[in-house]
Amino acid sequence: EIVLTQSPATLSLSPGERATLSCRASQSVSSYLAWYQQKPGQAPRLLIYDASNRATGIPARFSGSGSGTDFTLTISSLEPEDFAVYYCLQRSNWPNTFGQGTKLEIK
Amino acid sequence: EVQLVESGGGLVKPGGSLRLSCAASGFTFSNAWMSWVRQAPGKGLEWVGRIKSKTDGGTTDYAAPVKGRFTISRDDSKNTLYLQMNSLKTEDTAVYYCRRGYYDSSGYYRDYWGQGTLVTVSS
Repeated sequence: EIVLTQSPATLSLSPGERATLSCRASQSVSSYLAWYQQKPGQAPRLLIYDASNRATGIPARFSGSGSGTDFTLTISSLEPEDFAVYYCLQRSNWPNTFGQGTKLEIK
Repeated sequence: EVQLVESGGGLVKPGGSLRLSCAASGFTFSNAWMSWVRQAPGKGLEWVGRIKSKTDGGTTDYAAPVKGRFTISRDDSKNTLYLQMNSLKTEDTAVYYCRRGYYDSSGYYRDYWGQGTLVTVSS
């Protein structure tokens, strides 16, 4: 099973700042890495698929990069609605696995 | 519009059974690979399993913690996905989501989730 390790566990930033979230895989997942945002009481929302492609309707301030084992989600300028938990997901191997999440909180 | 609506959650004792349903609409369900994902209270997301379309073999795959206890099935005539959960443990307590992810004809990846149904395993 591929293990995804996200860092940091918690990120404290202010609106307008840049956020950089990391996801590292225990073995290569090629580009089959997605990023999700989840708010309390809601289902996860797909932000980025295949490492760098924005899902439909996702604002341009969200971007993804990386391949192989190291991936990054960048939010260029935080909006108040961006404070949530973020998960990475690999679809390269079965079972698909999620990272443990990064909580993005308001500083 | 794609809709996935889960039902069947509730309180069950350890060792008991429960069957979840996911009613699908807005797409050709028989062609879809479907998955179940769960989330324990205050915890992260965990893949439970998936079922392929019948045209792709209809086979199932499960995550290790549920293999041998959970069974995913589908009724394409009813556009419904099922999760039969047996020998339930307290650690199976979670919100269970059904999900569909796929590449559309334009090559974009589409991702749909239900609202989730809560399963509580407790004596």
